[in-house]
Amino acid sequence: GAVVSQHPSRVICKSGTSVKIECRSLDFQATTMFWYRQFPKQSLMLMATSNEGSKATYEQGVEKDKFLINHASLTLSTLTVTSAHPEDSSFYICSARVGGLAGGPTDTQYFGPGTRLTVL
Amino acid sequence: GQNIDQPTEMTATEGAIVQINCTYQTSGFNGLFWYQQHAGEAPTFLSYNVLDGLEEKGRFSSFLSRSKGYSYLLLKELQMKDSASYLCAVSDSNYQLIWGAGTKLIIKP
Repeated sequence: GAVVSQHPSRVICKSGTSVKIECRSLDFQATTMFWYRQFPKQSLMLMATSNEGSKATYEQGVEKDKFLINHASLTLSTLTVTSAHPEDSSFYICSARVGGLAGGPTDTQYFGPGTRLTVL
Repeated sequence: GQNIDQPTEMTATEGAIVQINCTYQTSGFNGLFWYQQHAGEAPTFLSYNVLDGLEEKGRFSSFLSRSKGYSYLLLKELQMKDSASYLCAVSDSNYQLIWGAGTKLIIKP
């Protein structure tokens, strides 16, 4: 159980184009999904917290107009990198919080396999 | 501020035991997580501690001391496939995960 998928797994695009990344919880409903970015040899950096049916909460320094997040259903969240530039090249990972008591043993984040974005 | 400290890199021998330490200073505490991340892959959940003591799960064990703001992940009978980064994360008072930078574990034959 608690499987999270991401699509695509790898994408190469030209500078200036937009890229959409999908994150799906396959066997559970996720009221909260998280989007992370990870640069080589660095730790995960939380970009935003996505709650179903409401606007995403962005971390300081993350441009909400550049990284559009939509969480339209309990099983799908999307991240769109608009007007991508080479510095946006990174490993983008989503995670979904398994329901249960907040902070309890079921309050665990399960990660998607990640999407490697390369902007030329 | 909130801070999670863990060693940057550790090296161990196949078949041996290794302990990866994590110290934390956070605003509130609602549990500590350990994740394993192989190069180029997303993290996978290993363990969760919210009470003091040792949680054992096969070859992996995780220990927590809340009074000391300290945890460790113990890996026994090391295998080559255990070569990965190990991430310590603390759930703070708002149930947000605060992440450590990760410890890269290198296993040598």
